[in-house]
Amino acid sequence: GQQVMQIPQYQHVQEGEDFTTYCNSSTTLSNIQWYKQRPGGHPVFLIQLVKSGEVKKQKRLTFQFGEAKKNSSLHITATQTTDVGTYFCAGKVSGQNFVFGPGTRLSVLP
Amino acid sequence: NAGVTQTPKFQVLKTGQSMTLQCAQDMNHEYMSWYRQDPGMGLRLIHYSVGAGITDQGEVPNGYNVSRSTTEDFPLRLLSAAPSQTSVYFCASSYRLASYNEQFFGPGTRLTVL
Repeated sequence: GQQVMQIPQYQHVQEGEDFTTYCNSSTTLSNIQWYKQRPGGHPVFLIQLVKSGEVKKQKRLTFQFGEAKKNSSLHITATQTTDVGTYFCAGKVSGQNFVFGPGTRLSVLP
Repeated sequence: NAGVTQTPKFQVLKTGQSMTLQCAQDMNHEYMSWYRQDPGMGLRLIHYSVGAGITDQGEVPNGYNVSRSTTEDFPLRLLSAAPSQTSVYFCASSYRLASYNEQFFGPGTRLTVL
């Protein structure tokens, strides 16, 4: 079945440093979503990517969807303590349910 | 709108006990789902529903039952709790199963089975 992997599993950064998490699917996706979960909280939708090679920005966050629609990345510029949490990608094949990756846990040291 | 609500927030069960986790949404969403979250394993789909009266199994359905008698409610039943079911359970909803709909998650139920 479809598998979605994420690297790294954990990332510790100093406040102000950049952060990137990568998401890879075993199958070609119709679209991919990204979610953020704060410690003790629930996942919250960030963004959706649909087109091959698509790049979207939300303030300091940049999301990319690979040309082959099998990988994606989330890049945070100049991290802040408010960025702490676990970032999940969720990939979808048309007609099927979303499959979540295991997540990347980000900690930001002040 | 309250969004997606879940009760209880915390629960401790003994092995063999049964219980129902409640989930409700007030956004008139057709699609509802249950996930379990375990350390290092992300969110795994247990059961889902594409509308009232329609349910189907996800990735890890064993030991759980669901029903969808109304659009708003989607309870998850643990038939005979086992320690392996210790987890955080999230209910989620979206407008439809279609590709372009974000999922809204409830606050979660933290379940411990002794």
